[in-house]
Amino acid sequence: QVQLQESGPGLVRPSETLSLICAVSGYPITASYYWDWIRQPPGKGLEWIGSFHYSGSTHYNPALKSRVTISVDRPNDQLSLKLTSVTAADTAVYYCARRSRTNWFDPWGQGALVTVSS
Amino acid sequence: QSVLTQPPSVSAAPGQTVIISCSGSSSNVGNNFVSWYQQLPGTAPQVIIYDNNERPLGIPDRFSGSKSGTSATLGITGLQTGDEANYYCGTWDSTLSAVVFGGGTKLTVL
Repeated sequence: QVQLQESGPGLVRPSETLSLICAVSGYPITASYYWDWIRQPPGKGLEWIGSFHYSGSTHYNPALKSRVTISVDRPNDQLSLKLTSVTAADTAVYYCARRSRTNWFDPWGQGALVTVSS
Repeated sequence: QSVLTQPPSVSAAPGQTVIISCSGSSSNVGNNFVSWYQQLPGTAPQVIIYDNNERPLGIPDRFSGSKSGTSATLGITGLQTGDEANYYCGTWDSTLSAVVFGGGTKLTVL
C-alpha cells in the first residue's frame, strides 16, 4: 500500500523560504509515475504546484515557476518542495500526491498546513 | 478564477440524484482525461473518477462520470448524508502545460 506523508515547519516568515518533505512508502519514487505537490489555501480550491517525474525531470506551474524547486532524495524515497520569497498568499495546506500518466492523483498525503506570518 | 468552471454549490435530498458540471476548453477538458475528487471536511481529496468515467476500486457505482466536448459531469445517485463534501474536477491543460482544477462544488444533502 502506497502512503505519502508531508512534514515541515508550520510557520514561515514573509520573504523566507518554505520547505516541506514528503515521505513515500510502499513504492519507490524512481520506479514510475509523477510525484506532485498541490496546495489549498484555507477555504479555497486546489492549485497544482509542480511535479517530479521518475525519469528525473521536473515541471512547474508557470504561475509559481520562478519560486519553486522540487527535488528528490532517491535512497530515502523522499520528495521535497522549496518555495522562496513567501507571502501571506502562500498560506495553505500543502499536499503531495502520486500522479498517473493520464493526470489523476492517487494516493494523497494527509496535508501539511503552512502559515506565512511574522 | 479557475480554468475549469464548476457550480459553487448543489443540493438535493437523500436518495435523489445530483449532477455536477465541469466546463473547460479544447486545451484542457476537450482533449485530455478528466478526474473527479471528493474532499470530506478536514481531509485530503480522494479520487472517485479517473479517465473521464472509470471508478477506482472501492468507489461505489452510485458515482459516475462522463464527458462530451469541452464539458464533463459527475453524477451521484442515491444520495447519502455521507456524500456531503466538496467535489473538484481536474485535468491537464495543454496550453498552460499544467494540471488545472475546477473551483470546487459544495454538495449539501438536505
